[in-house]
Amino acid sequence: QKEVEQNSGPLSVPEGAIASLNCTYSDRVSQSFFWYRQYSGKSPELIMSIYSNGDKEDGRFTAQLNKASQYVSLLIRDSQPSDSATYLCAVNTYTGGFKTIFGAGTRLFVKA
Amino acid sequence: EPEVTQTPSHQVTQMGQEVILRCVPISNHLYFYWYRQILGQKVEFLVSFYNNEISEKSEIFDDQFSVERPDGSNFTLKIRSTKLEDSAMYFCASSEALMSTDTQYFGPGTRLTVL
Repeated sequence: QKEVEQNSGPLSVPEGAIASLNCTYSDRVSQSFFWYRQYSGKSPELIMSIYSNGDKEDGRFTAQLNKASQYVSLLIRDSQPSDSATYLCAVNTYTGGFKTIFGAGTRLFVKA
Repeated sequence: EPEVTQTPSHQVTQMGQEVILRCVPISNHLYFYWYRQILGQKVEFLVSFYNNEISEKSEIFDDQFSVERPDGSNFTLKIRSTKLEDSAMYFCASSEALMSTDTQYFGPGTRLTVL
């Protein structure tokens, strides 16, 4: 069973701080990794995608991938109250066809 | 900006009834997906669809489920005989290509309530 694991949280950070979200995955042949943000009752919204080892930055967001450790993370700099949401880690894996496996998500609260 | 749309936003049905959930993917996208999310749980992959056939499906997608692209724009998920445990948010998504790196764009979801 291919799994994606995340700490469910909640993770609470003060406004302006860095929020660090982590994810591990079990399938070594996974090729692409995504971070989605989901507000309560809404659909997942893509924040970042990463495919190669190392860091990828987009505005206040940085995704980090370490395939050897099967680990992907998301850093949110200068956290804002509007960043309060559940962050979903998703992994594309191949099982004869591609499918996307989601983690259960980490709830983030940014305190004003 | 193009987006995936889904109808209805909320569907209430009696156990044992058939339901059809509808999606209009982004117009130039070729790959379509259905996911479900039971309240408080993770988003779960159901099925992917390309060129009028199922590309991949999960263990959840049993004989009670079927998908169809009845015309050039709609993509539907049918549940033949709903059970209480089918109550969930159902999300449709589409992508331009079925490469492992391709981004899937999600619709707003249909909340299905089975009574």
